[in-house]
This record gives sequence, structure tokens and C-alpha cells, in this order.
Amino acid sequence: DAGITQSPRHKVTETGTPVTLRCHQTENHRYMYWYRQDPGHGLRLIHYSYGVKDTDKGEVSDGYSVSRSKTEDFLLTLESATSSQTSVYFCAISSQRDNTGELFFGEGSRLTVL
Amino acid sequence: KQEVTQIPAALSVPEGENLVLNCSFTDSAIYNLQWFRQDPGKGLTSLLLIQSSQREQTSGRLNASLDKSSGRSTLYIAASQPGDSATYLCANNAGNMLTFGGGTRLMVKP
Repeated sequence: DAGITQSPRHKVTETGTPVTLRCHQTENHRYMYWYRQDPGHGLRLIHYSYGVKDTDKGEVSDGYSVSRSKTEDFLLTLESATSSQTSVYFCAISSQRDNTGELFFGEGSRLTVL
Repeated sequence: KQEVTQIPAALSVPEGENLVLNCSFTDSAIYNLQWFRQDPGKGLTSLLLIQSSQREQTSGRLNASLDKSSGRSTLYIAASQPGDSATYLCANNAGNMLTFGGGTRLMVKP
């Protein structure tokens, strides 16, 4: 296992409430990613980080923000959740030490917005 | 924009068959290509990673090939088993960002 922990694993919330998902890694890897997976759309990149306090947008970043104050933690925040953000969210890490760029994924966080 | 396509979307085979899963991509300027397996309700498990300078990688009964000039990768599974039933995804890395195909859902029947 790649040492990635996502929390919470399951969450049900109401429209308009803030939600924060956490990704914790024990590998000391530089790159971390947040993806969402939806039927018919596959996996899409939301945001990624290439170091502490260094983040960038992905394909579907609207409505999401991220923060990385420590190497091991990457937080994904939905400031005001909407039903369209019901999805399974995956965190991934990549070492990039030897330029392989191999990605390892967490188990996912299933979010339901009512 | 990079696009990644996987064909077929679903495949059902009897146990013991050798099979090939296909992955095609539109931009040949890739960094590497990675194959994953996903079981229902689970995360993605990395199977094989092929760097852009390589043509194939092997792990046990799995062999993945890469042809950048034609924009294709294949995943070959030898002597399939019911435990191989899962969704297989390919992902194209063009510099720190992966673009995923839609996946092939494989069912291996005993």
C-alpha cells in the first residue's frame, strides 16, 4: 500500500454547507492530486499540489479550493456544497523523485449532497 | 486537449482465455502511460507503468505495450481468472497530470 489515507470515507451533507476532505500521506511525496469520479465522466482532475503551499487547478476546479500547509496533508474544500458535487473523490500521490511519475491512489471518499 | 479512449467498454470472457484491452490517445507527446485496476467501491491499483522511452512492461500474467507513433497502448492478460474481474483504466501522463480513459469493465466467468 502507498500510505494514503482519506477522511472521511463517507459523508452525507446538505446543499449549501461547507465540506472538507482530507488526504494524508506517509510517503513524503511531493505531488498530490484530487480527482472526482462520476459515471459517464470517468476520473477528472480537480486540483493538484507540487509542494507545500504550491497548488494549481485541474480540469474541474470550479467550486473547489485546496490547501497544503504540510507535505503530508492535502485538503479539498467545498465552500458551499451543491448536488452536482455528489461524487466519489480520490486523492493520489506521485513521487517524481526519479521522474517515473507513477500515481498511487487512496480508497476514495464518497460524498452525497442532498 | 488530450483524449484517451478505451475499447471495449465491457468484456465478458470464460476463464482461461487470453485477452487484450485497448487504449488510444490523441497526443503522442506523453510522459508515460499507466494501467490501473479498480474493484467496485475501491480505489485504483497501479498495475503497470510504461515510460515514453519504453515499448512494454510485464508483471506476472500482465503485459502492457506502448506505441506512441500510433497513439496506442494494449494490456494483455494471459490465462484470465475470475479474480481478474474488475474495471481496467489506462491513463496518459503529459507532465504531472493524468488523463484517464473511460475504462473497460471485465468479467471473467468460471
